[in-house]
Order: sequence, then C-alpha cells, then structure tokens
Amino acid sequence: NAGVTQTPKFQVLKTGQSMTLQCAQDMNHNSMYWYRQDPGMGLRLIYYSASEGTTDKGEVPNGYNVSRLNKREFSLRLESAAPSQTSVYFCASSEEVAGIYNEQFFGPGTRLTVL
Amino acid sequence: AQSVTQPDIHITVSEGASLELRCNYSYGATPYLFWYVQSPGQGLQLLLKYFSGDTLVQGIKGFEAEFKRSQSSFNLRKPSVHWSDAAEYFCAVGARDAGNMLTFGGGTRLMVKP
Repeated sequence: NAGVTQTPKFQVLKTGQSMTLQCAQDMNHNSMYWYRQDPGMGLRLIYYSASEGTTDKGEVPNGYNVSRLNKREFSLRLESAAPSQTSVYFCASSEEVAGIYNEQFFGPGTRLTVL
Repeated sequence: AQSVTQPDIHITVSEGASLELRCNYSYGATPYLFWYVQSPGQGLQLLLKYFSGDTLVQGIKGFEAEFKRSQSSFNLRKPSVHWSDAAEYFCAVGARDAGNMLTFGGGTRLMVKP
C-alpha cells in the first residue's frame, strides 16, 4: 500500500517551459488536492477534485491546470512556467463518507525550480 | 472564509522539556482541526485531529491538543520533547461547508537542544 505517490521528486525548468506533475493514490479516495508550499506561508490549495470528473479552483489557481484522469490519478500542469512558481508541490487525498470529514493524506512532494 | 494563525515561526526547546505550539483559527461554526508534522524533505504526517466530542485529543508520538472554542485555539502540547521531534508543525482548519478543503497556518519550526 503505497498511499499517495508523486513524480517527479525534483524538476528544474526554464521560464516558459511546460510540465505536468503526476499524482496517484491507492486508497480508493474520492477527493484529491494539489497544494504548493512556500516558506512562511504554509500550504496553499491550488486545485482540488471532490470526485472523479470534477475539479475546482482553490486559493491560488492562476498559471495551473489540472486533470482528474480517473479515481486514482490527479495531475497538475504548468503551461508556461514562471519563476514565481518555484515551490514545493504536494498532492493529497481524502475520503468523505456520509458527511464525515476525514484527514488528508499527503504525498512526498515535488520540488520545482523555475529559472 | 476560515483562517489559521500560528504566532510562533520558530521555537527552540531543550530535550526533555515540555512543549506548547500555539494555533488560533477563525471560522464561524465548529471547525475540524488538525495538526500535521513535516520532517525535512518529507511530506506531511497527521499527528492528531479534532472533529467533535472530547476537547482534549490524543495523537501519535505522545502529542495532545486541546480545542478551546472560547479562545478559538487548538494548541499542541507534549510533556517531554525528544530530539526526533525537531520538525515543522502545521495547524489546519477544515469545515463541512468548505467541502474537504483545508486552510493551513504558516507553520512553526521546532528545534530541540541537546
């Protein structure tokens, strides 16, 4: 049981390049999330997907797109990377059953540098 | 919208000393509250959570937290800190009317002196 996995672990991009961050979970969770972590700012939600086939914007969605490929996978795409997107990106998943809110489980993160 | 404040950016304690990390939240109804820990280069691990009921919550690694509605606080405590507790700690608030979205505080970095 791997939990939440993310690829790649590290990535360096030049300004204007594009890339996709991959996330997968094997816990059969309905909800998945993408966060970015910047020093002193905690984690901020970029996008989330409450269930397969749905996605919604979080606090900081500009410059990003997401795809909920199936129940297991949720990818984050940077179409034209900017230095302001240098950050550590975390994927998470959770399950809500009959209105009971459960904790989010996090992946190990992707450290992205945009030059 | 909910918000979370962790007033202490850095805290240093001696090994064996007690610890209290502060967390204040803003939310109109009863929140869901969480404490997560992050070791360097790692993801976040859940320490404990409060949904309802008993306001004193026990977690892993000997941590506990107390929900105080009157003070809008959810402070994390440990009676005796170990060197392995050195990490960054995040408080987070979630709410049923915000779906499953969490709002995180800025984090508190704990250093442990031998």
